[in-house]
Amino acid sequence: GAVVSQHPSWVICKSGTSVKIECRSLDFQATTMFWYRQFPKQSLMLMATSNEGSKATYEQGVEKDKFLINHASLTLSTLTVTSAHPEDSSFYICSARDPQGSYNEQFFGPGTRLTVL
Amino acid sequence: GDSVTQMEGPVTLSEEAFLTINCTYTATGYPSLFWYVQYPGEGLQLLLKATKADDKGSNKGFEATYRKETTSFHLEKGSVQVSDSAVYFCALGRHDMRFGAGTRLTVKP
Repeated sequence: GAVVSQHPSWVICKSGTSVKIECRSLDFQATTMFWYRQFPKQSLMLMATSNEGSKATYEQGVEKDKFLINHASLTLSTLTVTSAHPEDSSFYICSARDPQGSYNEQFFGPGTRLTVL
Repeated sequence: GDSVTQMEGPVTLSEEAFLTINCTYTATGYPSLFWYVQYPGEGLQLLLKATKADDKGSNKGFEATYRKETTSFHLEKGSVQVSDSAVYFCALGRHDMRFGAGTRLTVKP
């Protein structure tokens, strides 16, 4: 099946710094990728939809200037958490849709755990 | 808008017990329905899916049937194992995906 990777798998940073998380589709080209956030013992909340070559679409309540998304190629989307603060600590998960596959199926990355001190 | 309501748990069972995790959805039309499993510290793995009414998804002994009349997609397994301990998410997919709250399952030997 389709494989999605994320890097790094975990990161610890100081408050005020920026952190970039990469999401790659390894064996397919993904025109659409999604970024989710998951707090401990909670469900996944969609943050934004990332479309290759165009601006991301953010969900209501998600600050686009804080969570910068770039989808510059068909296999890579990046999420940059700018000026991170402790409340941004969370588990960030990306997913990608394979255009060759079932229309509504998404393939998920293993997640990135961000801890802001 | 689309939404998923899932039995929250936690659920604790003994090995070889029968498992049911309820999931109902609200949506117009015919979205695809999914069950994902998340092991500690990991991302989501697709467990099974169904794309139209009356479809039955199955994998690793787990089953779920897409019931349009009751807008449900309940997850079942006849005999759980300790290795099934994880968090299970019901999800509804169209352009994007909406998740239920997740159900933590613990299976004791």
